[in-house]
Amino acid sequence: EDKVVQSPLSLVVHEGDTVTLNCSYEVTNFRSLLWYKQEKKAPTFLFMLTSSGIEKKSGRLSSILDKKELFSILNITATQTGDSAVYLCAVEGTARGSQGNLIFGKGTKLSVKP
Amino acid sequence: DAGVIQSPRHEVTEMGQEVTLRCKPISGHDYLFWYRQTMMRGLELLIYFNNNVPIDDSGMPEDRFSAKMPNASFSTLKIQPSEPRDSAVYFCASSLSQKLYFSNTEAFFGQGTRLTVV
Repeated sequence: EDKVVQSPLSLVVHEGDTVTLNCSYEVTNFRSLLWYKQEKKAPTFLFMLTSSGIEKKSGRLSSILDKKELFSILNITATQTGDSAVYLCAVEGTARGSQGNLIFGKGTKLSVKP
Repeated sequence: DAGVIQSPRHEVTEMGQEVTLRCKPISGHDYLFWYRQTMMRGLELLIYFNNNVPIDDSGMPEDRFSAKMPNASFSTLKIQPSEPRDSAVYFCASSLSQKLYFSNTEAFFGQGTRLTVV
């Protein structure tokens, strides 16, 4: 059965800290891995990763994929209170025989204290 | 476009009652997805439609759950009878293609309906 496992489930840091969120997966016919940020509303898209070793960056956030070891990390440097959210990792496979079906992890809840 | 619109935003109902969640996708999108989010299981795909036709409903937990899409601008997710374990946030999402994530905004997910069954 396809699955996506995120760790840690919860993380509390202080402003300015750097954090690393982990996502490991087992998916039939991997297509892509995505990161979302979810605050008190719907998930917002952060990154899509399809190739190993190529870092995606957006401001203080960056992510990289390792398709050999089946994991991805999301780094946030110089964290701010506005980074507090649940970060979701999702993987697209073809277990259900079609594209667009994302399998989500349970998320990592990040709390950034002032 | 106002994005994906879900209603109601919150619903509290008693066990055994019928619950209907509603979704209006973004105009022109031909894929519509229903997700359920809980602490225990995370975000799970329940069912998705393409051009109003259900394509994959294997994520629907049991016969108490049903979903319809009578036209391109409206979908419902119904639970009858509801049970306390159905308490969750239900998200609707739409996309122009099979790629749900073809966006860098939150516009493709609705704001969710928080359902509490007591």
